[in-house]
Amino acid sequence: DQQVKQNSPSLSVQEGRISILNCDYTNSMFDYFLWYKKYPAEGPTFLISISSIKDKNEDGRFTVFLNKSAKHLSLHIVPSQPGDSAVYFCAASSSNFGNEKLTFGTGTRLTIIP
Amino acid sequence: EPEVTQTPSHQVTQMGQEVILRCVPISNHLYFYWYRQILGQKVEFLVSFYNNEISEKSEIFDDQFSVERPDGSNFTLKIRSTKLEDSAMYFCASNELGNEQFFGPGTRLTVL
Repeated sequence: DQQVKQNSPSLSVQEGRISILNCDYTNSMFDYFLWYKKYPAEGPTFLISISSIKDKNEDGRFTVFLNKSAKHLSLHIVPSQPGDSAVYFCAASSSNFGNEKLTFGTGTRLTIIP
Repeated sequence: EPEVTQTPSHQVTQMGQEVILRCVPISNHLYFYWYRQILGQKVEFLVSFYNNEISEKSEIFDDQFSVERPDGSNFTLKIRSTKLEDSAMYFCASNELGNEQFFGPGTRLTVL
């Protein structure tokens, strides 16, 4: 039951260029979307989120775009830096009012090439 | 900056033994969670906890699992009789109302 899908298991990008990570979801009840970054042997670290009432949210080098009709979101990182190399997880929940479980995608391993 | 902590970082146990994984959520957070990640797979929700009771649990969270907040700071996950397939990274998370969930560094559980 893959309600949240990240179809690219890996992505390599030159340092300084834009990294675009994609995520699709199937559950129409999802209302709040998050991106987490994970290094080996560490827990997921929150990056950025977006509510379904918005189509874009920006925080520094990170921008998340939401296309609700296509049930698709993407994370843009620009410019990409070597420290961005990690596994990125897309997650979704049915609200952002707390106490809602997160449903994660399978992750995309991003490698930034110096 | 406040963070979620978890102990131990690695737990090795024999099949059939009981294990308790411990977490200290961020102090002013209200909601607590356990997730797990089997090697090579995605992070999966196990259970959420609020106001001293379970709010939601997944099908993974069967009678062998239990959670407890024994005092004002700790949040524990107990597996009564471990199975080989319980081997995974277990992550604790916490959040306030309306905020993103903050994850701990995880406990690697190895069941032999």
